[in-house]
Amino acid sequence: DAGVTQSPTHLIKTRGQQVTLRCSPKSGHDTVSWYQQALGQGPQFIFQYYEEEERQRGNFPDRFSGHQYPNYSSELNVNALLLGDSALYLCASSLEFGGQGRSAKNIQYFGAGTRLSVL
Amino acid sequence: DAKTTQPPSMDCAEGRAANLPCNHSTISGNEYVYWYRQIHSQGPQYIIHGLKNNETNEMASLIITEDRKSSTLILPHATLRDTAVYYCIVRGLNTGGFKTIFGAGTRLFVKA
Repeated sequence: DAGVTQSPTHLIKTRGQQVTLRCSPKSGHDTVSWYQQALGQGPQFIFQYYEEEERQRGNFPDRFSGHQYPNYSSELNVNALLLGDSALYLCASSLEFGGQGRSAKNIQYFGAGTRLSVL
Repeated sequence: DAKTTQPPSMDCAEGRAANLPCNHSTISGNEYVYWYRQIHSQGPQYIIHGLKNNETNEMASLIITEDRKSSTLILPHATLRDTAVYYCIVRGLNTGGFKTIFGAGTRLFVKA
């Protein structure tokens, strides 16, 4: 059973460019969340997708956008890249309803991340 | 802002128990306590979670105080591979989904 997979593993871009990161959730999971982790800090929540809609959003500008496909995979897009966007971008998947209704006890599983460097 | 407070770092001797504390004094009734760990440059790894009862799995034990304002993660026999940053998180049902807020975590050093 494949876990959460992210691609690419590393990426180098220049300021002003646009980037797309991809995530395939763990088998059976329907919810994908994205996080940004700067060096030496804890992950910061960007947004969460469920049923192809953005359900929650953290304190990130509109340059950060996403998409979820019918097969539950997801993309994170960042436009007009800034040097400060350099970070590890993490994807986490979970089963939103857990088969017994919405519950906070649904575990999020993380991918290995995409390391983005903006030059 | 993170809803948990953890010491920034801790040391533990290999083979001994590692006890990692977490304060979550503002936890509400429907919020669970989760623990994750992150080994350098990898994605966070789920360890354990609980609501109000103590929990144990193959990785660790979670002790939650009766008032639920604090908890302790116990690694019973720490190994060098347990060196990592450990995050304590509270997570609950709110409108639109379950936002996970990470703090700075505790950097655990297991020494030979």
